[in-house]
Amino acid sequence: SAVISQKPSRDICQRGTSLTIQCQVDSQVTMMFWYRQQPGQSLTLIATANQGSEATYESGFVIDKFPISRPNLTFSTLTVSNMSPEDSSIYLCSVDLEYTGELFFGEGSRLTVL
Amino acid sequence: AQKVTQAQTEISVVEKEDVTLDCVYETRDTTYYLFWYKQPPSGELVFLIRRNSFDEQNEISGRYSWNFQKSTSSFNFTITASQVVDSAVYFCALSEAGSNYQLIWGAGTKLIIKP
Repeated sequence: SAVISQKPSRDICQRGTSLTIQCQVDSQVTMMFWYRQQPGQSLTLIATANQGSEATYESGFVIDKFPISRPNLTFSTLTVSNMSPEDSSIYLCSVDLEYTGELFFGEGSRLTVL
Repeated sequence: AQKVTQAQTEISVVEKEDVTLDCVYETRDTTYYLFWYKQPPSGELVFLIRRNSFDEQNEISGRYSWNFQKSTSSFNFTITASQVVDSAVYFCALSEAGSNYQLIWGAGTKLIIKP
């Protein structure tokens, strides 16, 4: 298993600002994923962030809006840029240790944009 | 196309009742995994089980049991003698070898256990 810490756990932000979410893993992992979960909805994959390569974004998500860094095997950041109320969601960092799709998740970052 | 369907949006039962959460999946791959995750009100997603496509044995873990049937493409989850702490949203998910094991999520079932 893996222990994943996310910061901040929650934040209230103003429209037009940007917020960077940090994800720290207690072991070295290659495959890391960022998800968004809008209120009452299922999870939507934003991007895959594998160390040593550029993040791969899913349809509907672009690097300018959600830039991701992956400087090493234990850390990643997701920035939500130029926020609007529609960005209010829980953002979740996760890792896949065994390349099966079994994911371990951080506790999530609950973002509210006013 | 691959898909996971959790037809039950919300289920409400009284404590100590048994409850089954349904999950139906679609895939063309012969090698795949099925998962259940729990998301309590705190928001953190908790892994419950992983099943590969070659293992149809049912699994029991305490009050939790899972019934995997390839013939009906179902992977149902039963909680026996439910407790208030079981209240959560439960997600079923699928990953396939042909998609690099990227997870496909169901919509989730919100389970409410009343005292």
